[in-house]
Amino acid sequence: GQQVMQIPQYQHVQEGEDFTTYCNSSTTLSNIQWYKQRPGGHPVFLIQLVKSGEVKKQKRLTFQFGEAKKNSSLHITATQTTDVGTYFCAGPTSPNSGGSNYKLTFGKGTLLTVNP
Amino acid sequence: SAVISQKPSRDICQRGTSLTIQCQVDSQVTMMFWYRQQPGQSLTLIATANQGSEATYESGFVIDKFPISRPNLTFSTLTVSNMSPEDSSIYLCSVEDLGNTIYFGEGSWLTVV
Repeated sequence: GQQVMQIPQYQHVQEGEDFTTYCNSSTTLSNIQWYKQRPGGHPVFLIQLVKSGEVKKQKRLTFQFGEAKKNSSLHITATQTTDVGTYFCAGPTSPNSGGSNYKLTFGKGTLLTVNP
Repeated sequence: SAVISQKPSRDICQRGTSLTIQCQVDSQVTMMFWYRQQPGQSLTLIATANQGSEATYESGFVIDKFPISRPNLTFSTLTVSNMSPEDSSIYLCSVEDLGNTIYFGEGSWLTVV
């Protein structure tokens, strides 16, 4: 079945340093999504990438979707303590032809901790 | 956007008992899902809750252990039956809105003793 792999599993940085997490799928994805889960919280949707080679930015966060639509990355510039949490990528397990009504396969996540 | 309310938020349960988790959405949604997140792990899809019909279960999950109801477009329940300590997890309700965005409830944190 479909596998979504994410590295690194853990990352500890000093506040102000950059951070990147990488996601690889065993199959081509129609889209890829990123979620953030704060300690003790639930996953919160960050962004969805659909197009091959797509790059999207949200303030200090930059998301990329690979040309082959099998890999993705999330880069945070100048981390802050508010960035602490686990970042998950997820891809649709079985999208239908209309692109809706899909279920997600999640990567194992990258736990980011930030030293103030 | 969709706002999801899950109950209970936390519970400590005796092994061998069953617990039903409720998920209420503030708007009609097409798809509702139930996920499990074991301690320190990623999310695993249990099943898709289908309105008016039996849920669709993923490999490794069965209806007898995790019966699911979805009587209408805004409400679903997941029951964790005959619980054992291995069932200690966060159970998350998830929905997809008309814009294909996925939202998660705040989760139900179950500890089985």
